[in-house]
Amino acid sequence: KAGVTQTPRYLIKTRGQQVTLSCSPISGHRSVSWYQQTPGQGLQFLFEYFSETQRNKGNFPGRFSGRQFSNSRSEMNVSTLELGDSALYLCASSVEGGVGVFGPGTRLTVL
Amino acid sequence: GEDVEQSLFLSVREGDSSVINCTYTDSSSTYLYWYKQEPGAGLQLLTYIFSNMDMKQDQRLTVLLNKKDKHLSLRIADTQTGDSAIYFCAESTGYSSASKIIFGSGTRLSIRP
Repeated sequence: KAGVTQTPRYLIKTRGQQVTLSCSPISGHRSVSWYQQTPGQGLQFLFEYFSETQRNKGNFPGRFSGRQFSNSRSEMNVSTLELGDSALYLCASSVEGGVGVFGPGTRLTVL
Repeated sequence: GEDVEQSLFLSVREGDSSVINCTYTDSSSTYLYWYKQEPGAGLQLLTYIFSNMDMKQDQRLTVLLNKKDKHLSLRIADTQTGDSAIYFCAESTGYSSASKIIFGSGTRLSIRP
């Protein structure tokens, strides 16, 4: 069974730009959650999508958004990038009530 | 608010047991997890325990949960060099166990020869 895949794995952007990250969950997993990992703040929950609807949201500004498609693939978008958005972005998928499986992450560097 | 705390560093001799401790504050936690992260990698789920369990054993790993004290521990028997990594304690209460997970700051485990 293929794991969670995230693309791209590495990304370099400049301040003010926007970025879109993609997450393909394990087949059959309908829940996709996104997390940000930084050295200063650690791992923080961004949001969760289930059946194309945002079900939970963390404490991040509106520049961070996401969506989920009918095939459960999810994208997250960050607009007007700031230096502090440099981080490892991780997504995790699960079945309802099941244990989450994390992908390898996308490392975003903002210059 | 919810919080998960764990010590930042642990050094053990190869072959010894490693015990990583964690405390959490949310008494309504449903799942409690241990994740492993190696340099440059994502999060690998090592093991998890439901909040209504006291103990779970999986090969070299033993998880102990003291719900009264909100204390979780991970014991790694016969620690090997490949166990060097950062270990995250985490808890969640969401419908999906991947949602709204609260992570500790991670314990860096180093192995002495």
